[in-house]
Amino acid sequence: GDSVTQMEGPVTLSEEAFLTINCTYTATGYPSLFWYVQYPGEGLQLLLKATKADDKGSNKGFEATYRKETTSFHLEKGSVQVSDSAVYFCATNSGNTPLVFGKGTRLSVIA
Amino acid sequence: EAGVAQSPRYKIIEKRQSVAFWCNPISGHATLYWYQQILGQGPKLLIQFQNNGVVDDSQLPKDRFSAERLKGVDSTLKIQPAKLEDSAVYLCASSLGGARVELFFGEGSRLTVL
Repeated sequence: GDSVTQMEGPVTLSEEAFLTINCTYTATGYPSLFWYVQYPGEGLQLLLKATKADDKGSNKGFEATYRKETTSFHLEKGSVQVSDSAVYFCATNSGNTPLVFGKGTRLSVIA
Repeated sequence: EAGVAQSPRYKIIEKRQSVAFWCNPISGHATLYWYQQILGQGPKLLIQFQNNGVVDDSQLPKDRFSAERLKGVDSTLKIQPAKLEDSAVYLCASSLGGARVELFFGEGSRLTVL
């Protein structure tokens, strides 16, 4: 079945540093790819998504590009803020299959 | 627009006791999901409903877990009897249904089994 593997955390960065969180996927067919974020004390919420190869999802300064040749969907942000501290989940689904999540990467940004 | 509502937010029980969690999805969302999130892991699907029918319950431990979605709106997830390893956050999500759609999550119900 479909699966995603994302980099282990935790990741600790200083404010304004560059962020990359790696995510690779395994899927049959043509999956959609998602990044969800979970802020402290809150539920999961969609950060960005891409539904076909070479699509770039973006939101709140975060970006991720659907790379079919490397089966990857790495999350990037050029300058992180303290308010970006959260747990980030990569996820995928194909067709009508349920969303499958990675283990999550905890990001802590210090001032 | 109101989001996905879940209750209770927190529950502490002893092993072999029973517990029930309630979810009210976003109005008009046909598909409802229950996920289990164990500390340090990503959410794992337990059951998916389309209206009031079960689409996928292959990962639901049916000897102790049950779920229903009467009238195709609210849903209840029950655990009886609970085990220590059931300690987790139980997440409810809903979507409009169909392929590749966004899931909207509630804040979750945190269960601690002692």
